[in-house]
Amino acid sequence: KQEVTQIPAALSVPEGENLVLNCSFTDSAIYNLQWFRQDPGKGLTSLLLIQSSQREQTSGRLNASLDKSSGRSTLYIAASQPGDSATYLCAPGSGNTGKLIFGQGTTLQVKP
Amino acid sequence: NAGVTQTPKFQVLKTGQSMTLQCAQDMNHNSMYWYRQDPGMGLRLIYYSASEGTTDKGEVPNGYNVSRLNKREFSLRLESAAPSQTSVYFCASLAGTSYNEQFFGPGTRLTVL
Repeated sequence: KQEVTQIPAALSVPEGENLVLNCSFTDSAIYNLQWFRQDPGKGLTSLLLIQSSQREQTSGRLNASLDKSSGRSTLYIAASQPGDSATYLCAPGSGNTGKLIFGQGTTLQVKP
Repeated sequence: NAGVTQTPKFQVLKTGQSMTLQCAQDMNHNSMYWYRQDPGMGLRLIYYSASEGTTDKGEVPNGYNVSRLNKREFSLRLESAAPSQTSVYFCASLAGTSYNEQFFGPGTRLTVL
C-alpha cells in the first residue's frame, strides 16, 4: 500500500528565502506525481505534474524533481513571497486508474 | 470553462439524514473521483469512475454510494449520515490516461451533528 510522507509538516521563513519541501513515497511503481497548493478553506490548485519518466519540471519560481527509484520528490520554491503562504501537497499517482495518494502536506508561512 | 464544480458549498445535517453531493465537469474528462479531507488524515479516495457507466471503491467507501449519471456528472450520496462523515469533500476529474493532470473542484464542507 502506497504511503506518502511530507517533511517538514510546517515551515516559517522570511520573505526572499529559497526553500525545499520534501515528499517521500513507499511504492516506486508510480505513473506520475503531482504537487498541489491549497489555501485555507479552499480547493486544490495543481502546481506541477511530473511523469514517471521525467526527472524534473519547472514553472516560474517552482521546480519539482522526482527520483522514482528512491521514492522521493522535492518542490523547490525560489525567492519566496508572502503570497506563497499555503499548504503544499504531493500526490503520486499509482495504477492505471489515475488514483492519487496524498501526503498530509507542508504548511508554509512566508513572513514579510 | 468552469472546470470542476460542486454543490452545495456548505451543508449541515443531523445524524441519520441523507443527502447527495453533486459534481460536474465541463472538460470532457473520462475519469472522476470523490475524496474526503480530514485534519491529520490528508485526502483519501472514497470512490472513482474510470468512465461513464463504471464506478469502483476507493480507500474509504463505507457509508457512501455514487452514481456516474453521464460523462459530465458524478454524484456522492450519504444514505444515513453519521458524525464520522463530517469532512470536506472534493471531486476531481482526469482526462484520458493516468499520465495526465487531475483537476479538483472547490469542495463541499459537510457537518453532521
